[in-house]
Amino acid sequence: SAVISQKPSRDICQRGTSLTIQCQVDSQVTMMFWYRQQPGQSLTLIATANQGSEATYESGFVIDKFPISRPNLTFSTLTVSNMSPEDSSIYLCSVEDQSGELFFGEGSRLTVL
Amino acid sequence: AQSVSQHNHHVILSEAASLELGCNYSYGGTVNLFWYVQYPGQHLQLLLKYFSGDPLVKGIKGFEAEFIKSKFSFNLRKPSVQWSDTAEYFCAVIPMNSGGYQKVTFGTGTKLQVIP
Repeated sequence: SAVISQKPSRDICQRGTSLTIQCQVDSQVTMMFWYRQQPGQSLTLIATANQGSEATYESGFVIDKFPISRPNLTFSTLTVSNMSPEDSSIYLCSVEDQSGELFFGEGSRLTVL
Repeated sequence: AQSVSQHNHHVILSEAASLELGCNYSYGGTVNLFWYVQYPGQHLQLLLKYFSGDPLVKGIKGFEAEFIKSKFSFNLRKPSVQWSDTAEYFCAVIPMNSGGYQKVTFGTGTKLQVIP
């Protein structure tokens, strides 16, 4: 198992600003992901954070809007850029073991006014 | 593309009632199956998982799930729910192909409310 720490746990932001969410894992992991959990919807994969290379984005998500860093095997950041109220959501960091089991951080609840 | 369907979006039960939450998936090959739970104010955590073997798997807190391959289903059950089971439950599926990384697909979740 893995213990994942995310910060901030919540924030209220103004439209047009950007926020960076940090994710720290207590062990080295290969697969690290960023999900979005919007009210009433399923978890949606934003991207896979690749160590040492550009993140792999899912359909509907682009690097300019959601830049991701992964400087090492225990840390990643997700930035939500030029925010609008539609970006209000919970953003989750996750890591995966070889069986496909996912371990999640507590999430970062973002409210954009 | 594969999909995961959870038919019940919101379930309200009285304590001691039996629970069954439906989960169906669309992928035809070998899969690993999971149920995750998110208690109010807490992070998502694994409830139980199925990889192979006995299709009836038991998880934490008295939950179990049965994999029925012919029905592409992995329904979650508990004989007698407690108020503390109030949470949101997510079914998740990952194909186990040999060809590289496959991503996890989640269902839309079922909110369970247990009334004391």
